[in-house]
Amino acid sequence: EDQVTQSPEALRLQEGESSSLNCSYTVSGLRGLFWYRQDPGKGPEFLFTLYSAGEEKEKERLKATLTKKESFLHITAPKPEDSATYLCAVLPYGQNFVFGPGTRLSVLP
Amino acid sequence: DAEITQSPRHKITETGRQVTLACHQTWNHNNMFWYRQDLGHGLRLIHYSYGVQDTNKGEVSDGYSVSRSNTEDLPLTLESAASSQTSVYFCASSPGQPDTQYFGPGTRLTVL
Repeated sequence: EDQVTQSPEALRLQEGESSSLNCSYTVSGLRGLFWYRQDPGKGPEFLFTLYSAGEEKEKERLKATLTKKESFLHITAPKPEDSATYLCAVLPYGQNFVFGPGTRLSVLP
Repeated sequence: DAEITQSPRHKITETGRQVTLACHQTWNHNNMFWYRQDLGHGLRLIHYSYGVQDTNKGEVSDGYSVSRSNTEDLPLTLESAASSQTSVYFCASSPGQPDTQYFGPGTRLTVL
């Protein structure tokens, strides 16, 4: 069975304190791995897609990386506006998306 | 600008009533999806459609139905609402598969 876990469940950082969020997955064959950001009361907003091990994508303070078993979302010098829940989703071959439960990030000023 | 909208944004209903949640997208995407989101769970797929007249069951489809009569709309119907269906419902669309899914703002449904 395809599974996605995310850790930690919640993370509190001081502004400027860099850290990483983890997404571990078990799939029969990975077509793509997606990262989304979700603000309270809103729908998920697309951030990145990664397709193969070793691939990296960057956007402002965020960088996503992918290995054969996990993905990391690195946040460099975060600001309070980066506070949100970050969702990881995998797309196995021949199947639909499987979402992880998310990591709730709080960045304190 | 193209977008995806959901209505209503909030709904309170009683056990046993039929409820329909609307989803409308103006991207002309072929694929549309319905998910529910509950604390402690990731988004779980309820139903999906790859085009007009096409509908498929997802992971948690019991008690729900959809129909696709045009490209823009995929309404979700709860045939007889149950308290276990209290949740936040998200609609999403994508131009193809595999492809990024774009989500609506969500509908918070409470079944009393």
